Amino acid sequence: DAGVTQSPTHLIKTRGQQVTLRCSPKSGHDTVSWYQQALGQGPQFIFQYYEEEERQRGNFPDRFSGHQFPNYSSELNVNALLLGDSALYLCASSFRDAPNEQFFGPGTRLTVL
Amino acid sequence: AQSVTQLGSHVSVSEGALVLLRCNYSSSVPPYLFWYVQYPNQGLQLLLKYTSAATLVKGINDFEAEFKKSETSFHLTKPSAHMSDAAEYFCAVSESGAGSYQLTFGKGTKLSVIP
Repeated sequence: DAGVTQSPTHLIKTRGQQVTLRCSPKSGHDTVSWYQQALGQGPQFIFQYYEEEERQRGNFPDRFSGHQFPNYSSELNVNALLLGDSALYLCASSFRDAPNEQFFGPGTRLTVL
Repeated sequence: AQSVTQLGSHVSVSEGALVLLRCNYSSSVPPYLFWYVQYPNQGLQLLLKYTSAATLVKGINDFEAEFKKSETSFHLTKPSAHMSDAAEYFCAVSESGAGSYQLTFGKGTKLSVIP
């Protein structure tokens, strides 16, 4: 049973660039959430996607956007990167009947120079 | 609004000793509560969850937690620490009503196990 997978594992970008991170949910899950974990902090909720639409959003600027595909996989896009966007980005998947019971992937480490 | 406070950013215990990691939450509605563990350079693994059933919740690797509404607490315990338990532990809260899907995490507690 494949768990949540994310790609790439690591990424280095420069300020002002744009980045796309990818996530495939756990088998049988149809809901994807994204979190940002800064160094030494707990994860912070960015948004959740269900049925290809953003269902709930945390306190993040519009530079952060996402997409969910018909196969339930998801992308996180960040535009106009800032140094402060350097973090571990975690994808979590869940089933529509239990959207709060979230299973996390290994994350993508983004470094902005 | 919901929030989580984890008391103690770093806890050290001897191998074989009791593990106690503290978590207090704030929620305007009945909460769902979770404990996750994170090993270095890895994602988060769900240890256990409280979703309004039994107040004493058992999880993987002999961890358990007790929901105490009067104290707004959900402390994590394990009777006997193993070296492999060394990791960072996160407590998270979610609102139980429809329309709320985000997890709000505490800042984490790093557990060290001394041989």
